Amino acid sequence: DGGITQSPKYLFRKEGQNVTLSCEQNLNHDAMYWYRQDPGQGLRLIYYSQIVNDFQKGDIAEGYSVSREKKESFPLTVTSAQKNPTAFYLCASSRTSGRARETQYFGPGTRLLVL
Amino acid sequence: AQTVTQSQPEMSVQEAETVTLSCTYDTSESDYYLFWYKQPPSRQMILVIRQEAYKQQNATENRFSVNFQKAAKSFSLKISDSQLGDAAMYFCAYQIQGAQKLVFGQGTRLTINP
Repeated sequence: DGGITQSPKYLFRKEGQNVTLSCEQNLNHDAMYWYRQDPGQGLRLIYYSQIVNDFQKGDIAEGYSVSREKKESFPLTVTSAQKNPTAFYLCASSRTSGRARETQYFGPGTRLLVL
Repeated sequence: AQTVTQSQPEMSVQEAETVTLSCTYDTSESDYYLFWYKQPPSRQMILVIRQEAYKQQNATENRFSVNFQKAAKSFSLKISDSQLGDAAMYFCAYQIQGAQKLVFGQGTRLTINP
């Protein structure tokens, strides 16, 4: 079955710690995205990648970093510089980027909590 | 500013009845797509229906249909014959052609009463 997987489902971060959220897709999509969802709010874009070895900041990139070494994988690191990391993180992918006709499909999400 | 407004934080409907969720948006662009996503308790975002702004005909997907009023910048979702499995948060969103991101509203929580 084609789809997007995210791991872990729950992640706990200690003060000053960097943590990495995994996102893998087997849809052969070129574009991948990371969104953040806070309670009672819609999603906001953190980073996106249009192609391997390329990525761009979204609206709320401060305190986050990404890499795109493989087409299938787009991990997100939440650094210690992110002062309010508690949120639900959703990864998405689409065949290409910048073309609104290409629907973005979402993974199941990772819930990040701060200890 | 690009915004999406869902004015109904919560809605409820009796099973088998029809319910309409409201959405308005603000963009000066003319080429864009509109979407309704469903987020059930599992929290995975699932595409329900989408509408191309240049198409006047309203999109339909089985029990789901939209009322797209481009001049009014309104994009409501109608769910017919509501089922218990329709209970979820529903998010309205749009994406401008050439842009990377979806712009989301704050969501409407839909409850289905048996």
